[in-house]
Amino acid sequence: QTVVTQEPSLTVSPGGTVTVTCASSTGAVTSGNSPNWLQQKPGQAPRAVIYLTNKKHSWTPARFSGSLLGDKAALTLSGVQREDEAEYYCVLYSGGTWVFGGGTKLTVL
Amino acid sequence: QDQLVQSGDEVKEPGSSVRVSCKASGGSFRSYPIHWVRQAPGQGLEWMGRVIPILDDTTYAQKFQGRVTITADESSTTAYMELSSLRSEDTAIYYCARDATGDFDYWGQGTLVTVAS
Repeated sequence: QTVVTQEPSLTVSPGGTVTVTCASSTGAVTSGNSPNWLQQKPGQAPRAVIYLTNKKHSWTPARFSGSLLGDKAALTLSGVQREDEAEYYCVLYSGGTWVFGGGTKLTVL
Repeated sequence: QDQLVQSGDEVKEPGSSVRVSCKASGGSFRSYPIHWVRQAPGQGLEWMGRVIPILDDTTYAQKFQGRVTITADESSTTAYMELSSLRSEDTAIYYCARDATGDFDYWGQGTLVTVAS
């Protein structure tokens, strides 16, 4: 069973840049894992922000971007705003199933 | 507008079963997989499985094999998730999510299932 690992928490100042990463226990994350990134705020359902590694939904702010960084998937927020404070989850397609990372709590202060 | 609307919250006794529905509107229900994801109180997201309505094909996470059944009714554009042999650890919010192109683009509002005696 694949285990997907993210940073438990990150802190960034408003206007700054932060990168959240997503690693797989089975090896390097590739585009074949179809990395997705979701944002969840307290009391709300998750909201998709990035899919297929680096594609944005129509509602995804331009300051969000996805990539492969080394052997991990990455979500980068450039010019962070206070409204970006949330939990961020990656999810990977692996071995015929989808596996979520444990989530990264992003604090903006 | 594409939307997923789930059934209401449930309270169940240990050992029983629960069925949660997820009605899709606005898009092509037949072609898009529907995933089920749960979130225990204060915990992260956990993928349970998915159904492809047009193929009537299902895939389940190993953890839930034998205990979960995911189905889809094309005529009503509704997907269902049934979880049996409920225990207290199954207390969680259960979400459905649509998969248009290898993504989880639209989500239901969530259904809280509480397992308690």
